Amino acid sequence: DAGVIQSPRHEVTEMGQEVTLRCKPISGHNSLFWYRQTMMRGLELLIYFNNNVPIDDSGMPEDRFSAKMPNASFSTLKIQPSEPRDSAVYFCASSPGDRNTGELFFGEGSRLTVL
Amino acid sequence: GENVEQHPSTLSVQEGDSAVIKCTYSDSASNYFPWYKQELGKGPQLIIDIRSNVGEKKDQRIAVTLNKTAKHFSLHITETQPEDSAVYFCAASNTGNQFYFGTGTSLTVIP
Repeated sequence: DAGVIQSPRHEVTEMGQEVTLRCKPISGHNSLFWYRQTMMRGLELLIYFNNNVPIDDSGMPEDRFSAKMPNASFSTLKIQPSEPRDSAVYFCASSPGDRNTGELFFGEGSRLTVL
Repeated sequence: GENVEQHPSTLSVQEGDSAVIKCTYSDSASNYFPWYKQELGKGPQLIIDIRSNVGEKKDQRIAVTLNKTAKHFSLHITETQPEDSAVYFCAASNTGNQFYFGTGTSLTVIP
């Protein structure tokens, strides 16, 4: 299994630009999570989907952030317009969604730098 | 909601010594407690987990203990090796979907 695949691995952009991060979860997993990691705040859950439906987006910082999951094998996290304080590593993770297992499988992250 | 606290934030040990990382949680409904290891430039990876129906679990040099009454759980690494150097995160969950992470412990094993 290829694991969770994220792209791009690194993104440098200027303030005000639109940023789109992409994620391909592990095949067969029905839960998908977007996390943001910073030194100050650690790992923060932004949003998670179950069977492609957003379940909890209370962690999305503001309206500039949006996430979609059009099908079971693809999700995007979009920031528009981006700001320097959005600089962080964004992780996508997927899970079988089975209460009996619960393991989260993380991608390698997308490091975003907003100048 | 759940609040997970993790200590210490940094830890340095000599190779061969033991390392202990401690976490507390607030929600008594939490019943699943995984530990993740994050190496530089990588995503966190599960190393061991424990459910609320057991008090201890061991996997080679790694063990986790859980005290439900006190709402704390700990990671124990024995005979540490340089490759154990990484950031370790604890987490708590009560549904298998919502995971609340600690702030991480940066472990350095000195050869």
